[in-house]
Formats: sequence, structure tokens, C-alpha cells
Amino acid sequence: GAVVSQHPSRVICKSGTSVKIECRSLDFQATTMFWYRQFPKKSLMLMATSNEGSKATYEQGVEKDKFLINHASLTLSTLTVTSAHPEDSSFYICSARGLAGVGNEQFFGPGTRLTVL
Amino acid sequence: AQTVTQSQPEMSVQEAETVTLSCTYDTSENNYYLFWYKQPPSRQMILVIRQEAYKQQNATENRFSVNFQKAAKSFSLKISDSQLGDTAMYFCAFMKITSYGKLTFGQGTILTVHP
Repeated sequence: GAVVSQHPSRVICKSGTSVKIECRSLDFQATTMFWYRQFPKKSLMLMATSNEGSKATYEQGVEKDKFLINHASLTLSTLTVTSAHPEDSSFYICSARGLAGVGNEQFFGPGTRLTVL
Repeated sequence: AQTVTQSQPEMSVQEAETVTLSCTYDTSENNYYLFWYKQPPSRQMILVIRQEAYKQQNATENRFSVNFQKAAKSFSLKISDSQLGDTAMYFCAFMKITSYGKLTFGQGTILTVHP
């Protein structure tokens, strides 16, 4: 099956710093990648959709300048949390979908736990 | 806009027994996909089963099967012969055919399988 990796798996940073999370599709070309945020025992909240080579589409209420998304290649998308604050602490999950995805399936990364002190 | 509702925040079942998780959705679309995802304590999302709306036959994957009622907009998941490894949070999800993969998730149901 298709594999999506995320790096780092955990990150702790100080308030005011920026953090970059990478999402890679390891064995397929991801034309579309999605970024989600999840609070404990809650559902996944879609933050943005990114297509390779174009600007990300953000969901309503998500700050574009705070959560910078770049999808520079068919195998890599990055989420940068700028000037992080404690309220940004959360579990961030990416997923990827390729042109050849069976039944439009998305493949999910293992997630990144961000803690902002 | 689509909405997905899972009305059971938590469920429990004894090992080897059968449990059904409920999901309803609201859409004006005629063509779409429905999914059940499992998120175990590791938090890795795993696809359990998928149903295409144009197919009348209910999808089945080993011990997992769905009851898809298109007119009622209902999509329940039945887990037979429950195993301890089935303990996880389960999410029902909806996707429009034309949405380029964008998923709308339900609130999730925490399932605990007891020995």
C-alpha cells in the first residue's frame, strides 16, 4: 500500500518560534495533499488543501499567514506554523492523494504532535 | 455543504461479539463515496472500508461490513467477531466525487473491545 511519512513525529518549541512539519509520499506521486488538525478524542479538522505547484486552499477560519503550506513537489508538502503560541499545540496530520488513487483514496501520515511552551 | 453525524461518542463490546456503529450524513449530491476510518491509539488513520454511492451492494471487508441506505442517508459499520485490536476511534467520512479528495468527517466513535 501507499506510504505517507511525516517529520518530525513530535516537536516542542518555545512560544514565538516557527515550526516546520514535512509530509512525504514515499512510493507514489501526490497531486493533492491535505493538512488536518486534531484535538484529543476529537475529529479531524481540515485546515487546507494543497495541489502541487499551486497555492494552498485554506478552510474558513484558518489563518493563512500563520499556517504556511508549500507543496513544491509531487512528493513533499510542508506546513510551517509561524510565531507559534500555546493554543497552536495540537496533533497535525497530513494525507496525500495521487492521480492513480483507487476509489479516490487518501493515505494518511502518522501525525505530528506539536507542543508550544 | 455536507455534514456527517456519528451519534455514538463511545461504544463497548465483548471480544468475539458483534457491534454496529452508526453514521448519518446530509448531502444534495447523488454521486459520492463514503468511508469508515479507524484511528487506533497510535493515531495512524487506517481505511477500514469504502462504499461508492452508485453501488447498491453493501461493501464487505473480512469482518467489517456496512449497511448503506442511500435514501435514508445512513451508513453504519458492523464489526463481527470483535477483536482486542479493533479498539480504536472510528470515523465515518463523506467525499463528493468532484471534490478532488476532500473528506468530511463525523465526530468519531470510541470503540473499546473488552476481553
